[in-house]
Amino acid sequence: EVQLVESGGGLIQPGGSLRLSCAASGFTFSSYAMSWVRQSPGKGLEWVSLSASGNITYYADSVKGRLTISRDNSKNTLYLQMNSLRAEDTAVYYCARLDISSWYVDYWGQGTLVTVSS
Amino acid sequence: EIVLTQSPDFQSVTPKEKVTFTCRASQSIGTSLHWYQQKPDQSPKLLIKFASQSISGVPSRFSGSGSGTDFTLTINSLEAEDAATYYCHQSSSLPLTFGGGTKVEIK
Repeated sequence: EVQLVESGGGLIQPGGSLRLSCAASGFTFSSYAMSWVRQSPGKGLEWVSLSASGNITYYADSVKGRLTISRDNSKNTLYLQMNSLRAEDTAVYYCARLDISSWYVDYWGQGTLVTVSS
Repeated sequence: EIVLTQSPDFQSVTPKEKVTFTCRASQSIGTSLHWYQQKPDQSPKLLIKFASQSISGVPSRFSGSGSGTDFTLTINSLEAEDAATYYCHQSSSLPLTFGGGTKVEIK
């Protein structure tokens, strides 16, 4: 059974930093592209970043230069380093597995809430 | 960036009714369009992949159609448990994008 468990969310002041983690199990982690998708309170879904094999990464323009995705295949863990946080980064952050051939989201974690506020 | 526009934003439906909502892409995406259901305080769940392909474990009352720029999700004989927000998602090109969602309320 595929499981994605996020951690690391919390309350952080504007300009601060936070690192999210996603522990994956139930599949061969290194074979799959992974993403972070966020959802602001009461709003829709926004793709944030993607990590694929071969150290390939992509970012939404809204987070480029501030958020960094990485992965440790030996620990089956995905990370999101969040720097220079803004109020508009407040959201539930979902870890998501992407289909192995087509990069659509096929599994989601339960999400972790990041609140940026003074 | 491919923009996905869903309509309507909100729909109030009677149980056992058939409901259809749409997702329109700003440019052709073939069939790289996928549908999700999100219930309150839950993460999204994949319902339909590649516009019309069913997902194991998803009730057969959910079906999808379309290609190019226009897509539909149909729920035949709506049940009370189908109260949720439904999102479309394209994987044709980066950035990956999602529609704004259609919220379904049960009368």
